[in-house]
Amino acid sequence: KQEVTQIPAALSVPEGENLVLNCSFTDSAIYNLQWFRQDPGKGLTSLLLIQSSQREQTSGRLNASLDKSSGRSTLYIAASQPGDSATYLCAVLTDSWGKLQFGAGTQVVVTP
Amino acid sequence: NAGVTQTPKFQVLKTGQSMTLQCAQDMNHEYMSWYRQDPGMGLRLIHYSVGAGITDQGEVPNGYNVSRSTTEDFPLRLLSAAPSQTSVYFCASSRGLDTGELFFGEGSRLTVL
Repeated sequence: KQEVTQIPAALSVPEGENLVLNCSFTDSAIYNLQWFRQDPGKGLTSLLLIQSSQREQTSGRLNASLDKSSGRSTLYIAASQPGDSATYLCAVLTDSWGKLQFGAGTQVVVTP
Repeated sequence: NAGVTQTPKFQVLKTGQSMTLQCAQDMNHEYMSWYRQDPGMGLRLIHYSVGAGITDQGEVPNGYNVSRSTTEDFPLRLLSAAPSQTSVYFCASSRGLDTGELFFGEGSRLTVL
């Protein structure tokens, strides 16, 4: 069974620092990997989707890398801002019919 | 831009009662799903559907029923509520998970006493 792990569970950084969030998975046979953001009391918002054939995906200050062979993905957020404070979750698709496996998330606090 | 709409946002039930959580999307997505989110457990898939008339079980389907009579709607039914079903429930949709991102509703917080 696919296991998805996100370490650390919580992270606090001062404003302006770059954020590095990690996601690891046990089965490299994935279709794609998504990174999500969740604000308190809200639903999840998709940030980036990386197909299994891609090595990275970028959107503005966000960059996500994927290394299938080692079972890892990293989300980089450049020049963090207090508005980046949220919980970030990764999810892998190992079944083309639609079973996403989520990590438990990393709670990020960016202090002014 | 409605996206994925869930109702109700909050609900309190007594053990043994039944209820339906509603989910509707206006993006013409074929894929719809229900998750529950519990502290320390992350998101777990309850049921999903890849089109009208097609549903399948996820990781934690017991105690829940679904149906998909239209592309837009995917209701989740709790047959006989139990305290273990106290959770936050999320509905999500996608044009297809192999190529498209997943869009979530705002969630429905359910408490079973």
